[in-house]
Amino acid sequence: EAGVTQFPSHSVIEKGQTVTLRCDPISGHDNLYWYRRVMGKEIKFLLHFVKESKQDESGMPNNRFLAERTGGTYSTLKVQPAELEDSGVYFCASSQEVNTEAFFGQGTRLTVV
Amino acid sequence: AQSVTQLDSQVPVFEEAPVELRCNYSSSVSVYLFWYVQYPNQGLQLLLKYLSGSTLVESINGFEAEFNKSQTSFHLRKPSVHISDTAEYFCAVSALRAGNNRKLIWGLGTSLAVNP
Repeated sequence: EAGVTQFPSHSVIEKGQTVTLRCDPISGHDNLYWYRRVMGKEIKFLLHFVKESKQDESGMPNNRFLAERTGGTYSTLKVQPAELEDSGVYFCASSQEVNTEAFFGQGTRLTVV
Repeated sequence: AQSVTQLDSQVPVFEEAPVELRCNYSSSVSVYLFWYVQYPNQGLQLLLKYLSGSTLVESINGFEAEFNKSQTSFHLRKPSVHISDTAEYFCAVSALRAGNNRKLIWGLGTSLAVNP
């Protein structure tokens, strides 16, 4: 069974550009989470999807970030326009039920220059 | 609100030596507790968790952690480490509450370096 996959693994973009990160959860997992780790800081929750609905988006930094999960399968996280402080590693996780183990992807390392 | 403190950012240790990675948390409600590990160039993996029951939990690769409610701690230990244990270890908590939310609150991480 395939695990959680994230694409791309690395992305380097210039300030002001747009970047879209993708997460493919484990098949059948209704719950999908996005987290971010900025260098030197702790991993922080961004948002939680249950199927295609946003259950909790309290961690989204600002309106430059847009997450979608059309059809309740894969999810995208778009940053537009990117700022220097958006650099970090973006993790995606999925779980079958809300209280079962969440499986993480390898993360996307985003560098904004 | 919850918070997690990992007291050591880096822990160097020799192979076959014991190790303890410390984790303290604060919360006004009951929590679930987790340790995740990230090996080089890999994603985060769940190492062990405490949800309820026995306060001592173990992983398949020899790590154990003990939930201490009075000290609000969940330290991770291994009596004899291997080179392959070199990784970054994260402590995390999740509030035990009703509703469809399992947001994890994370510590800063501890980088364990096992040297020969």
